[in-house]
Amino acid sequence: AQSVTQLDSQVPVFEEAPVELRCNYSSSVSVYLFWYVQYPNQGLQLLLKYLSGSTLVKGINGFEAEFNKSQTSFHLRKPSVHISDTAEYFCAVSSPSRNTPLVFGKGTRLSVIA
Amino acid sequence: EPEVTQTPSHQVTQMGQEVILRCVPISNHLYFYWYRQILGQKVEFLVSFYNNEISEKSEIFDDQFSVERPDGSNFTLKIRSTKLEDSAMYFCASSERGRGGYTFGSGTRLTVV
Repeated sequence: AQSVTQLDSQVPVFEEAPVELRCNYSSSVSVYLFWYVQYPNQGLQLLLKYLSGSTLVKGINGFEAEFNKSQTSFHLRKPSVHISDTAEYFCAVSSPSRNTPLVFGKGTRLSVIA
Repeated sequence: EPEVTQTPSHQVTQMGQEVILRCVPISNHLYFYWYRQILGQKVEFLVSFYNNEISEKSEIFDDQFSVERPDGSNFTLKIRSTKLEDSAMYFCASSERGRGGYTFGSGTRLTVV
């Protein structure tokens, strides 16, 4: 079975500061990894995904994540956050097998302070 | 950009009533999913659907739940007799290949009173 751990439930950060949201996963098979963002009262929007290839993945809105197989991690980073980045961020894992559902972490609430 | 559309955005129902949540997946997608998110908790998988049948379902997806693709465009989730604990945000998702990419709708907030 696969699982995802997001160690930080809340991360406050000042505007223009860098941020890292941590995600660790557990899986006995190969993985596909995802970060989704949920703005208040909205649905889930894909930020970025790792399927294969380069371990550094760039996504929308200036976010990037690095897949580290040895540490089973997929941390999300942004060098300079904006107020508009305030949202809930979910890390998710699936396997390369067809039709495997996503398994989500509990989410990290990023609050950007002016 | 293609979207997954969910209706209604918010539904209030009395305990014991049946509800149908509706989704229009992206037109060329073949794999369909329902997830739910109880307030303040993580997003949980309910069911996946491919080739007009359920592919996989979670423990949450018990006999009171059912899914259907009544025509070529809609994908529905029915809850037969709602309970207070069914109150949640329900997300529909679709995927072209069943892996590597899932597009989510904006969700239906179900409130059972």
